[in-house]
Amino acid sequence: DIQMTQSPSSLSASVGDRVTITCRASQNINSYLNWYQHKPGTAPKLLIYAASSLQSGVPSRFSGSGSGTDFTLTIRSLQPEDFATYYCQQTYSTVSITFGQGTRLDIK
Amino acid sequence: EVQLVESGGVVVQPGGSLRLSCAASGFTFDDYTMHWVRQAPGKGLEWVSLISWDGDRTNYADSVEGRFTISRDNSKNSLYLQMNGLRTEDTALYYCAKDKGIFGMDVWGQGTTVTVSS
Repeated sequence: DIQMTQSPSSLSASVGDRVTITCRASQNINSYLNWYQHKPGTAPKLLIYAASSLQSGVPSRFSGSGSGTDFTLTIRSLQPEDFATYYCQQTYSTVSITFGQGTRLDIK
Repeated sequence: EVQLVESGGVVVQPGGSLRLSCAASGFTFDDYTMHWVRQAPGKGLEWVSLISWDGDRTNYADSVEGRFTISRDNSKNSLYLQMNGLRTEDTALYYCAKDKGIFGMDVWGQGTTVTVSS
C-alpha cells in the first residue's frame, strides 16, 4: 500500500495567519492527491483535487501544490471556520486508497 | 439537492454481522463509483471499499478484505456494506461517499455509527 505521511500532526495558528500542511507519499503518485477538511459531527469536505484544483464552492484562500511524492496545502489568511482537521488522500492506487493521518489545526 | 444518507449502524457483538445502507438522491447514481470510508473513535479517516458504477469492480482495504462485501442496487439508488465477522476494531462512524472520477470523493453522507462490543 502507498503510505501517506502528513506534517505536522497538529498546528496552532491565529486568525489571519498563513498556514502550510505537507503530505508525503511513499512512492510516486503523480498528481493523484486530494485534500479534505473535516470538522467534528460533519461530513468530510473535499477542498482540493488532483493536487492543485480547487473544488467548486471552496474559498480561494485554499490552494494546493506538488506532484510526485511531495505535496502542500496552504491556507492564506485563516478564518475562524477553517479550524478543523485536514487530510490528504491518494487515489493513484484505487486498489487501495489511503489517507494521511490528519493534521489538526487549532486556534492559538 | 445531492444527498447521501447512511443507515443501519447499531451495537453488535464481536463475531456478529451487520448490513449498512446508503440512499443516494439528486444525481445519476449509476454513473458513479461509490465508496465506504470509516473513522474509528479518536482516529483518522480510513478508506474501506469501493464499487464501480456497474458493480463489476470492487476493492477493499486489507483490514476488511474477506469479511466485508460492498454491493449496490442501481434500480434503488442504494449502496450497501455487508459486514461479517465483526471485530472491536471495526467500531467506527461509517460514511458513504460519491467518487469524483479518481479525483477524490466529492459528496459524503453524515455517517452511521457501528459499535462492536460484548
